[in-house]
Parts: sequence; structure tokens; C-alpha cells
Amino acid sequence: SQQGEEDPQALSIQEGENATMNCSYKTSINNLQWYRQNSGRGLVHLILIRSNEREKHSGRLRVTLDTSKKSSSLLITASRAADTASYFCATGDPNFGNEKLTFGTGTRLTIIP
Amino acid sequence: DVKVTQSSRYLVKRTGEKVFLECVQDMDHENMFWYRQDPGLGLRLIYFSYDVKMKEKGDIPEGYSVSREKKERFSLILESASTNQTSMYLCASSSGQGAFQPQHFGDGTRLSIL
Repeated sequence: SQQGEEDPQALSIQEGENATMNCSYKTSINNLQWYRQNSGRGLVHLILIRSNEREKHSGRLRVTLDTSKKSSSLLITASRAADTASYFCATGDPNFGNEKLTFGTGTRLTIIP
Repeated sequence: DVKVTQSSRYLVKRTGEKVFLECVQDMDHENMFWYRQDPGLGLRLIYFSYDVKMKEKGDIPEGYSVSREKKERFSLILESASTNQTSMYLCASSSGQGAFQPQHFGDGTRLSIL
């Protein structure tokens, strides 16, 4: 079953602008992770935020988590052409003792030079 | 850096063939995973393994089996390939409890079943 759902499905912005993607999930979680996937390649881990954290930064990335709304957002500031990729959120599935992650369907981000 | 290597980037097989997809990781990770990725469906977990010779079914195990004889190697087997198994297959590994650690992915195998 799909745990995370990203919104929007696709996003196009001008280079230099900020990009915001959202993720909603259904059940309680211990942490939430964000991944990036360049076309034709595997996923690359970006950031992990624990359920007791509200915000986390890594370079130009900012992730927020609102467990009361069961949602997270990923903000990429000062976007670059190299940020063009699909972005996925993933959550630990309590039904499997937190051994596995469940991924959403992703947001496809296009940065227009 | 963690390196997860999948044996083939592209593979074409025929219906009914037995197909082996190989994955090797070089970081002594306990956990290894096989996913398939289809447009509009995201990543779906086929099988995972948390130790040598151990395996657990994921969300869509039907038509697949796995083998983990050595810690660094995790094989996905399509017992009798069918056209609906045409997909991108991704292998990943992680240390410790899978959901609490980042997963490291290979570059995928794009499998076509004719």
C-alpha cells in the first residue's frame, strides 16, 4: 500500500526560484526520508527527519514535518538546472516492524534555465 | 561511499525464461531490498533480506523469488518471466533497521520481457 503521496505530481520553475514539494502519509511514523532520482538512475538519499523533529536543513534543502497533519514538505532554495529530477518521500511502515520503507509516487521537478 | 552494483543496466528476455538479476553492495550492510518501479505507481517492494539466507516478502512478491547466500549479494529471480514483469528493477541496501537508515540504491536494471 502507498504510504506517502507527493504533491504536486509535476513542477516546473525558473532557475534561481525556490521549489516546494509536499508529502502526506496515512499512519504513524518514526521518521520520514526524502530521496532524489535523476532520469534513468537510482535513488539518492537526501535527508532523514525523525518524528520528534519539526525542521531539518542540509545545504539548500529544508525539510519540515508536521506529525499532527501527517505531512512533510521539501524546500529547495535557489534552484539550479542540476536539481531537475524526481523527488520521493518514504516512511517506515509500522506493520513491518520498521524494517522497510514505503515510497510515494514522486514529484517530477523541472528547472528551466 | 557506498556502492551498490546491479549486474545489467538493460536486459531483454523472452516470456517463460528464468531471469536472474544480481546486486552486490560493498559496505557490509545487513539489509538488502529489491523494488520495481513503474510509471504512476512509484517504487514497490518485492522482497527484502535482513541477513544471509533470510528473506521477507514485500508488497508484490508473486512471480519472484530471491536468494542471499552471501552478505554482499542479493539476487532476484523471475521464475517464468511474463510481459507484465517488464519494468525498472532497483536494488538497495542499508545498515541497521531499514526504516531508520538511509537506503543506498544501484542504478537499476531496465528489464523488457518480449
